[in-house]
Amino acid sequence: SAVISQKPSRDICQRGTSLTIQCQVDSQVTMMFWYRQQPGQSLTLIATANQGSEATYESGFVIDKFPISRPNLTFSTLTVSNMSPEDSSIYLCSVEVWQNTEAFFGQGTRLTVV
Amino acid sequence: GESVGLHLPTLSVQEGDNSIINCAYSNSASDYFIWYKQESGKGPQFIIDIRSNMDKRQGQRVTVLLNKTVKHLSLQIAATQPGDSAVYFCAEKDSNTQKLVFGQGTRLTINP
Repeated sequence: SAVISQKPSRDICQRGTSLTIQCQVDSQVTMMFWYRQQPGQSLTLIATANQGSEATYESGFVIDKFPISRPNLTFSTLTVSNMSPEDSSIYLCSVEVWQNTEAFFGQGTRLTVV
Repeated sequence: GESVGLHLPTLSVQEGDNSIINCAYSNSASDYFIWYKQESGKGPQFIIDIRSNMDKRQGQRVTVLLNKTVKHLSLQIAATQPGDSAVYFCAEKDSNTQKLVFGQGTRLTINP
């Protein structure tokens, strides 16, 4: 298994600003992902964070809006840029220790944009 | 496109009873399935998984059944406890894309 720490756990932000969410894992992992969970909804994959290269984004998500970094095998950041109220959601970091095994999740970052 | 859905959005059971949560999937290329439990204010917690070469897998108080013929997945929880109250998600992984797709979720409520 893996222990995942996400920071911040919650934040209230002004529209037009940006927030960077950090994800730290207690061990090296092969795969890291970022998900969004809108209120009362299921999880939607934003992107796969690739170590040492650009993230792979899903349809509907773009790098300018959600820049992602992954400098090593234990850390990644997701930035929500130029926020609007529609970005209010829970953002979740997920990891797979080995490829094609179960994914573990952080506790999430609850973002409210006002 | 691929989709994973749940038959019932809410389920209420009496404490001590068994519960069954169902999930339908449509992607024939999915070969790995996972059930997650999400409590309020927390991230999804891994419960149990099953690969497509199996049709049943048991854990502690939980059993997952996979019917590939009808593309159906179920989670059985035995002797439910108040701590089982949560939203349960099924998720499928496409063997080609390696992406995890989540179902809509079922809220399980345990009545005392």
